[in-house]
Formats: sequence, structure tokens, C-alpha cells
Amino acid sequence: DAGVIQSPRHEVTEMGQEVTLRCKPISGHNSLFWYRQTMMRGLELLIYFNNNVPIDDSGMPEDRFSAKMPNASFSTLKIQPSEPRDSAVYFCASSSGQTGANVLTFGAGSRLTVL
Amino acid sequence: AQKITQTQPGMFVQEKEAVTLDCTYDTSDQSYGLFWYKQPSSGEMIFLIYQGSYDEQNATEGRYSLNFQKARKSANLVISASQLGDSAMYFCAMREVNTGNQFYFGTGTSLTVIP
Repeated sequence: DAGVIQSPRHEVTEMGQEVTLRCKPISGHNSLFWYRQTMMRGLELLIYFNNNVPIDDSGMPEDRFSAKMPNASFSTLKIQPSEPRDSAVYFCASSSGQTGANVLTFGAGSRLTVL
Repeated sequence: AQKITQTQPGMFVQEKEAVTLDCTYDTSDQSYGLFWYKQPSSGEMIFLIYQGSYDEQNATEGRYSLNFQKARKSANLVISASQLGDSAMYFCAMREVNTGNQFYFGTGTSLTVIP
């Protein structure tokens, strides 16, 4: 099992550019989460999906952020246009089932720097 | 109200000593899971230990144990025989089964093991 795969691992871009972060969850996992981590705000849940359907996107900062999960094996988080305050590590995580025992497995994270 | 509270921003422990990292949680759900994750300086999020709300025994995984006190709504992590490699951020998390099924994370505790 390759675990949760995120790409790119590092992204440096200029303000105003579009950024797309990608995630491949663990095969068989039906819940997918996007988190953002910064020193100031800690670990924030942006959005999560169950069976490819967005369940809670209340953590998405604003309309510049959008997330999709077109199928069970792929999700994207897009920021358009990007701003310096979006600089953070973005984690994708997946979990199977909907019981309390199902562990959340994280990807390695995508470190975004917006200049 | 915060779902997960970690009141210790930073902790120090002497190598080979035991240390307890505090975590309290808030839920009205009867079915939930409690988790601890470790985040070393390299940035990945590593699952350590899980405790179910119906589990009567405290969970243990090697040098990690979870001191589960349901009436107090606390789920403290105990690390025995601390090692230098235990220096990291530690996050407590909860998954509610019947109310949204999402994961809630605390703000983390930074543990430094002193040689």
C-alpha cells in the first residue's frame, strides 16, 4: 500500500497564480479530508468528502478555494487566485468506513509558498 | 466550544523518563474515537494510538498508552521511557460517529526530550 499520495510536495508561485494540489487516497478509503497547517492557525479542516460527495466545506476560507473529488481515487484542491496568506502546508488524509475506529491516514503534505 | 483541548503548548522531559500529554474533549455523541498523532520536524503526521469510546481498557501501543477517563472526558497520552526521537508535536484528535463523522484536532503539544 503506497499510502496517501500528494503532489506536488513543494510549490512556489507568485501572487495571483492558480495553484492545484492533488491527492490520491488509499484504495478502499471512502472518506477524504483536506487540511491546512500554519504556525498561526494550526491544523484547520478545509473540506471533507464521503463517497466522493462533499459533506462539510465550512472550513474553506473563501471563494478562491475549491475542491473536487471526481472519483474515489483522486481529489484536487484549487486556489485561484493565490495570495501570500495562502502559504501553508496542505495535507490530504483518507479514512475507511464511518466508525470511530477508522484511523485517518495523512499524506506527506504539499508545502505552498505564495510570493 | 473547542472539541479538543490541549492545554500544554510545550513540554520538556528527561530522556528515559515518562511524560503525560494532556487532552480533553467535548462531545455529546455516545460513539466516538480518540486518536493521537505525532508530527516530527520532518512534517509528516504519524498515527500513534486509538481509543474507542466503548473500550473499557486503556489502549497501549509499545511505549505509548492512552489514559482514558470517560467521565472526565480526558484522553491523555503517556509516553514511557522517552527517547530523543520522541521530540515532536503531538496532536490529540476525535472522530464523532453519529454527528458528521469528521475528525477534530487539538492545537498540539510540542515535546522536547532532553538528553
